[in-house]
Amino acid sequence: NAGVMQNPRHLVRRRGQEARLRCSPMKGHSHVYWYRQLPEEGLKFMVYLQKENIIDESGMPKERFSAEFPKEGPSILRIQQVVRGDSAAYFCASSPLRARNSYEQYFGPGTRLTVT
Amino acid sequence: EDKVVQSPLSLVVHEGDTVTLNCSYEVTNFRSLLWYKQEKKAPTFLFMLTSSGIEKKSGRLSSILDKKELSSILNITATQTGDSAIYLCAAPYSGGGADGLTFGKGTHLIIQP
Repeated sequence: NAGVMQNPRHLVRRRGQEARLRCSPMKGHSHVYWYRQLPEEGLKFMVYLQKENIIDESGMPKERFSAEFPKEGPSILRIQQVVRGDSAAYFCASSPLRARNSYEQYFGPGTRLTVT
Repeated sequence: EDKVVQSPLSLVVHEGDTVTLNCSYEVTNFRSLLWYKQEKKAPTFLFMLTSSGIEKKSGRLSSILDKKELSSILNITATQTGDSAIYLCAAPYSGGGADGLTFGKGTHLIIQP
């Protein structure tokens, strides 16, 4: 059973370009979460999605960032007009249909975004 | 705002030593506390704790929750170099019905041979 997959693993963008990060959840998982880890900081929650629905995007910057999880295909985190401050590791996690009191999330290897 | 604080931020010990890592939390609607181990890449799940005073154990690792003190500890006995990692503590985010996790900054554990 393959784990959570993310690609690319490393992404370099110039300021002003767009970055697209992809996440394929574990087989059978229908919940996807995106986190950002800045240097010297802990993981910060960004957005929680189920298929075709954004459930909570309260951790996502209001501008330039968007996320989707279409019916078919991976979840995409999109950052438009990247700036140097967007340089970070972006992790995706997935979990199965919510069992009562179950909050386990399984993480992908992350995408390290570098903005030059 | 929910907060998870871990201590120490870094720890260097010798192989064979026992270590205790600390996590304290301030969460509006506490449901559970989770521990993860992060090596070079993905955090891997270790434990989820929901009930106070009940120890969860996996090999040389164990963890316990104290709801009265709003804290948890992670113990590793007979440490090995392979235990070197960042250990993360997290609690489900209590805002707006989300299920995201609020993480501490982690404890960077280094085991010297």
